[in-house]
Amino acid sequence: DGGITQSPKYLFRKEGQNVTLSCEQNLNHDAMYWYRQDPGQGLRLIYYSQIVNDFQKGDIAEGYSVSREKKESFPLTVTSAQKNPTAFYLCASSPGQGNHGYTFGSGTRLTVV
Amino acid sequence: EDQVTQSPEALRLQEGESSSLNCSYTVSGLRGLFWYRQDPGKGPEFLFTLYSAGEEKEKERLKATLTKKESFLHITAPKPEDSATYLCAVQGPYTDKLIFGTGTRLQVFP
Repeated sequence: DGGITQSPKYLFRKEGQNVTLSCEQNLNHDAMYWYRQDPGQGLRLIYYSQIVNDFQKGDIAEGYSVSREKKESFPLTVTSAQKNPTAFYLCASSPGQGNHGYTFGSGTRLTVV
Repeated sequence: EDQVTQSPEALRLQEGESSSLNCSYTVSGLRGLFWYRQDPGKGPEFLFTLYSAGEEKEKERLKATLTKKESFLHITAPKPEDSATYLCAVQGPYTDKLIFGTGTRLQVFP
């Protein structure tokens, strides 16, 4: 079955450490997105990519980095510069052009210890 | 600035007690309005897409409607398994990005 796989489901980060969240899709979608979800707030866009080897900053990109070397993969690195990284991270994909909704992964919960 | 506001923030219903969730939006040239369901600790699950005012879509106990300023998600005779957070999102004319509201947390009690 086609879908989006996020791993790990839970991740713990020490202060000053970089961590990478994985996102893989087999839907043949062109566009991929990373969102952060905090209690009481809507989904906030971190980064998005509409094509391989290209990506754009979203609304809250500071302290995060991404790469898009393959169409299927869009990993997110939470760097030590992100001062408040504890959150639920969601990856999504869409066909790209046109008025399409997203397909979401199951999320990664990141906690700073 | 494009914006989505959902109300109420939380809603408690008795099983069988019908109600509606509201999604108000401001966007210059709506290309699509999307409803998602999200269970705790999981990713949002797609429910409906609405494209133009007057459009309606149904799925089991859920019915989504759209006007030029807002969308409603009507829940008829809800069951406890309908308990979840319902998210609304809009897509503007020049981007594939979705702008999300903060959601309505629905609890249905037996």
